[in-house]
Amino acid sequence: NAGVTQTPKFRILKIGQSMTLQCTQDMNHNYMYWYRQDPGMGLKLIYYSVGAGITDKGEVPNGYNVSRSTTEDFPLRLELAAPSQTSVYFCATRTAGGEKLFFGSGTQLSVL
Amino acid sequence: EDKVVQSPLSLVVHEGDTVTLNCSYEVTNFRSLLWYKQEKKAPTFLFMLTSSGIEKKSGRLSSILDKKELFSILNITATQTGDSAVYLCAALQYSGGGADGLTFGKGTHLIIQP
Repeated sequence: NAGVTQTPKFRILKIGQSMTLQCTQDMNHNYMYWYRQDPGMGLKLIYYSVGAGITDKGEVPNGYNVSRSTTEDFPLRLELAAPSQTSVYFCATRTAGGEKLFFGSGTQLSVL
Repeated sequence: EDKVVQSPLSLVVHEGDTVTLNCSYEVTNFRSLLWYKQEKKAPTFLFMLTSSGIEKKSGRLSSILDKKELFSILNITATQTGDSAVYLCAALQYSGGGADGLTFGKGTHLIIQP
């Protein structure tokens, strides 16, 4: 039972490079979220989706894009990586009526 | 602006001690208060509290919510080194137009010394 799977686990990017963080879930949850966590800080919401074809901005969306073509996948795209995007990124899911978030294991990203 | 404030931000105690972690919140359309434990990787769920005054318990951990004073506490008794972690508090909100969102606090970094 995989749950929420994130890839890659670690990545180092150069300034200006692009990459996609992958998130896939097998729990058939409608709601999916992308958070970032900076050292000593709580989780900040980047983007979320309430279902396939629907996405919306969270608290810190600048520099990121998302898509939700299927229920299972919710990739996060960084177009022009900047040092300020160095962080740990978590994908999470939840059922529409549920309250508990299920987290992936995270992606540690460094932009140098 | 919605906010969740946790205190203390860090805490070092000896094994066997009892600790109390605090979480206050100011969010619109409050629905529930959640506690998570974060070790090296992803946060893992501990408790969800929706009603005031009802204590949730799991082994040596317990938590309670006060919706009038807008705070929650997480207690850990007879602490063990395995309790060392960051404890995150989050307020879940109702949102009329879209997904319900969670506002997280910065976390309390708890270190249990042998």
